[in-house]
This record gives sequence, C-alpha cells and structure tokens, in this order.
Amino acid sequence: GAVVSQHPSWVICKSGTSVKIECRSLDFQATTMFWYRQFPKQSLMLMATSNEGSKATYEQGVEKDKFLINHASLTLSTLTVTSAHPEDSSFYICSARGRLAGPYEQYFGPGTRLTVT
Amino acid sequence: AQSVSQHNHHVILSEAASLELGCNYSYGGTVNLFWYVQYPGQHLQLLLKYFSGDPLVKGIKGFEAEFIKSKFSFNLRKPSVQWSDTAEYFCAVNRASGNTPLVFGKGTRLSVIA
Repeated sequence: GAVVSQHPSWVICKSGTSVKIECRSLDFQATTMFWYRQFPKQSLMLMATSNEGSKATYEQGVEKDKFLINHASLTLSTLTVTSAHPEDSSFYICSARGRLAGPYEQYFGPGTRLTVT
Repeated sequence: AQSVSQHNHHVILSEAASLELGCNYSYGGTVNLFWYVQYPGQHLQLLLKYFSGDPLVKGIKGFEAEFIKSKFSFNLRKPSVQWSDTAEYFCAVNRASGNTPLVFGKGTRLSVIA
C-alpha cells in the first residue's frame, strides 16, 4: 500500500511554455501533499504544502504565481510550472500524507524530471 | 525553523566495512526522524523511521539508527556494507505535533568499492 505516482516521469519543454505535473495517491486518501524540488546531487527542498480543498502554502522564496499547485481531490494534486525557463529545469518530487497507520509518514512519488530548453 | 545537518558529504568505503552516517537536527521539541535512500536514477525509499519508544531502530537491508535525544542526533549505521549500498542517503525530520512536512538534510553520498 501507500503508493504515490507522478506523471509524466520526464518532460522537455520550450522556454516560455507551461508544464503540468500530476501527483496521485493510488491506494489511500492524501489529505496533505507536498511538492519538493531536487537539483542534481542536492537535497530535496520543500516548495509548498497543500491540503485538499485549500490553497497551497508556499515556502519562502518560491513564487506562487510561477508554481501553481492545485489539490482538488483526496487523490490528486497538480503542479503547473508557468512560463518555464531553463533555470526551472529540475527534478520535482511530490509526497503525500494521509489516513494510514503512522500519520506522520510521507510517501514519495518517483519524481518528474523537467528540462526546459 | 528546524534544520537537519548531515556532516559527511561523500563517504567512500570498501565492501564489508562498517558504516556510520551522522545526522543532527535543530529543534527543541518532539520530532519524528527518518532515513531515506536514493539509488542512482531511482526515487526515494524509506530505510527506517523513529516516532517514539526504543531509540534504536532497525530498518530494511540491515540498516539501523540510534536516536540520542541529548545530542539531537539520529545516526545511521550498518555493520558491513555491500557494493549495492552505493547510493545517496538523506536524513529527514519533522515535528511530532501538527501536520508538518519533512525537512531534509543535504544528503550523504556513499560509494562502496570492491
């Protein structure tokens, strides 16, 4: 149990376009989802936290107008990178927490590699 | 705000050597502690976790970690590493109260050589 999927696993887009990344909890209800960003050979940096049905809470320094997060249902959250630029190229990882044993555990998706050309 | 320090950036060991990776956190309250592993090209996998109880926690693949509250530490250990343990290891912490996200350390790259 506790599987989180992400789609797509990798995407290449042109500078100026927008990209949407989906994160789904496949076998549990994710009351909270987190979005992280990982640069090559670096750690995971938290971008934002979203609770189902509420607006996302962004970490300091993360542009909310650039990284749009929607958590419309208990199994789906989306991250849209708007007007992408090459510096947005990174590995984006979602994580979900829900109504399972161990309320403090986060289950991680496999990540989405975004390359902006 | 809480932070997590992993002092070893890159550790190189021979097979069968013992491993200890340091992790310290800065938060005075009650915390939950985790170690994750990321194999090359793969996603994060949970190695072990500590919520409460016995401070010595055993995880998968022969790993264990000890929570020392007085030292704010949660070091990861393995008595005998294998080549397949080559990976990036991340320590993560969150507050035990409230729906708070995991905060990660910078990671330690482990290279095991034959």
